[in-house]
Amino acid sequence: DAGITQSPRHKVTETGTPVTLRCHQTENHRYMYWYRQDPGHGLRLIHYSYGVKDTDKGEVSDGYSVSRSKTEDFLLTLESATSSQTSVYFCAISGPGDYGYTFGSGTRLTVV
Amino acid sequence: GQNIDQPTEMTATEGAIVQINCTYQTSGFNGLFWYQQHAGEAPTFLSYNVLDGLEEKGRFSSFLSRSKGYSYLLLKELQMKDSASYLCAVHPNTDKLIFGTGTRLQVFP
Repeated sequence: DAGITQSPRHKVTETGTPVTLRCHQTENHRYMYWYRQDPGHGLRLIHYSYGVKDTDKGEVSDGYSVSRSKTEDFLLTLESATSSQTSVYFCAISGPGDYGYTFGSGTRLTVV
Repeated sequence: GQNIDQPTEMTATEGAIVQINCTYQTSGFNGLFWYQQHAGEAPTFLSYNVLDGLEEKGRFSSFLSRSKGYSYLLLKELQMKDSASYLCAVHPNTDKLIFGTGTRLQVFP
């Protein structure tokens, strides 16, 4: 429908393990973003991309890395998951003429 | 710095009118957005203001005053399905949106 999907939708992982979340778009949009959403903090930007292999940090990038080897895919990796990274993660895309962002359905990540 | 403030929670009655305020202080301004987010779902676009004044879209209207760093979202003829969080977001002179913490609106019968 909206042309953006996230996987997995839910994940439980153990502290210290690496985790990769995937965002896939079919809109051919240049800009892609990863946000996390936590109670009392709203949506906070982790990393974003403005093209293939072009990425930059957001306000809460510590402990996260990203990669974008194709226009349609933007991967978020938690190198060594911690309990503080338990959150809901949203991917968003933005293209020419768009009003703001279109969001994916989110990934609920629990680190135990 | 970047700062966006909006009330944490509001309640209202079905059929009533509610106004959700948002104040912002950002390094640059290229537009203000309102998003609606139902519990457990993704945010969805509601409105966009870049010039001062009121933008009306059905039961929802959004107002902007750039000189005051102020916006509000007005919801008329409230329905139970309007119970959701409403996110104010500002587009400064960058490619990124900055979000407020959101206002959780509960509509009672």
